[in-house]
Amino acid sequence: KAGVTQTPRYLIKTRGQQVTLSCSPISGHRSVSWYQQTPGQGLQFLFEYFSETQRNKGNFPGRFSGRQFSNSRSEMNVSTLELGDSALYLCASRKRQEDSPLHFGNGTRLTVT
Amino acid sequence: KNQVEQSPQSLIILEGKNCTLQCNYTVSPFSNLRWYKQDTGRGPVSLTIMTFSENTKSNRRYTATLDADTKQSSLHITASQLSDSASYICVVSENTDKLIFGTGTRLQVFP
Repeated sequence: KAGVTQTPRYLIKTRGQQVTLSCSPISGHRSVSWYQQTPGQGLQFLFEYFSETQRNKGNFPGRFSGRQFSNSRSEMNVSTLELGDSALYLCASRKRQEDSPLHFGNGTRLTVT
Repeated sequence: KNQVEQSPQSLIILEGKNCTLQCNYTVSPFSNLRWYKQDTGRGPVSLTIMTFSENTKSNRRYTATLDADTKQSSLHITASQLSDSASYICVVSENTDKLIFGTGTRLQVFP
């Protein structure tokens, strides 16, 4: 069974640009969540989608947005990039919303210059 | 405010030695607590889950404990191996299914 797949693996952008990250969950998993990971802050929750609906949202500015498609694949978009957006962005899926482990992808490393 | 604090922030041990990582939380209401292991350059992987009624659970050389009264959990690693070098993240779930993440303990095992 294939794991969670995130693309691209690495990305370099300049300030002011926008970026779209993609996540393909494990087959059968309908919940997809996104996280930002930086050395100083650890894992910070961005948002969670279930059946194409955003169910929870973290404390990030509106520049961060996401969506989920009918096949459960998800995308995350960051507009007007800032230097502080440089981080590892992790996507996780799980089988049902309650009490099941998160299965993480290996992340997209975003560098903003 | 619901928080999860982990200690130590980083730890260096020699191969073959034991170590214990700590996780203190103030999350309420409490649903469960998970420990994740994150190898460098990879996403976290679930090691074990602890629910309110469980005190101890083992997964190979990893033993997790939970004291729901004092709101503390520990992860004990026995006979450490080089492959145990990773970050260990404690995640606590509220009843509303909201997850609170600790900032992790970075463990380095040297030969």
